[in-house]
Amino acid sequence: AQSVAQPEDQVNVAEGNPLTVKCTYSVSGNPYLFWYVQYPNRGLQFLLKYITGDNLVKGSYGFEAEFNKSQTSFHLKKPSALVSDSALYFCAVRGWGNNRLAFGKGNQVVVIP
Amino acid sequence: DAMVIQNPRYQVTQFGKPVTLSCSQTLNHNVMYWYQQKSSQAPKLLFHYYDKDFNNEADTPDNFQSRRPNTSFCFLDIRSPGLGDAAMYLCATSRSAGSYEQYFGPGTRLTVT
Repeated sequence: AQSVAQPEDQVNVAEGNPLTVKCTYSVSGNPYLFWYVQYPNRGLQFLLKYITGDNLVKGSYGFEAEFNKSQTSFHLKKPSALVSDSALYFCAVRGWGNNRLAFGKGNQVVVIP
Repeated sequence: DAMVIQNPRYQVTQFGKPVTLSCSQTLNHNVMYWYQQKSSQAPKLLFHYYDKDFNNEADTPDNFQSRRPNTSFCFLDIRSPGLGDAAMYLCATSRSAGSYEQYFGPGTRLTVT
């Protein structure tokens, strides 16, 4: 079985401050890890993924995520949050050979001007 | 631009009246997915096609059916919509399984009256 935990419901951050959205996962074997963002009444947009190699992955819109195998975590980060980053963020995991993604429950990020 | 297109964006149907949602892709991806998403929750996978192979999720109600007549198109049929089927329906595609990310369409918001 594969699963993702996003422990916080909402993350509030002041504009210009660092943003972190937490994600831990469970999967058999090596994980493929993804972050998606969703704006209101829109589909999910792919931000970044970890497959193998460097533990620090850089993605769209200045976001990055760090893979930590020992802690089974894949936290999303942005050094300086923008008001336009306010959205719903989903972490997802897929095990090798599996067509299905397991999504976390999502985190609402609110960036305060 | 290559993309995933969903029509219509908003659909209103009556209780018990069959409805079909459509998805098309210009990405030439092998895998197409249908998700149901309710009020900022995580997307719930209904089924997916890997090429012509249909894969139903165990907890997907029989009320939901799908067709994929060719690589580009995939349809979601709801035979007798109930009030509980009101949701956002998301179509997604992926080149293959494993490390490949999914690309989502904008979604169809279904209202059941």
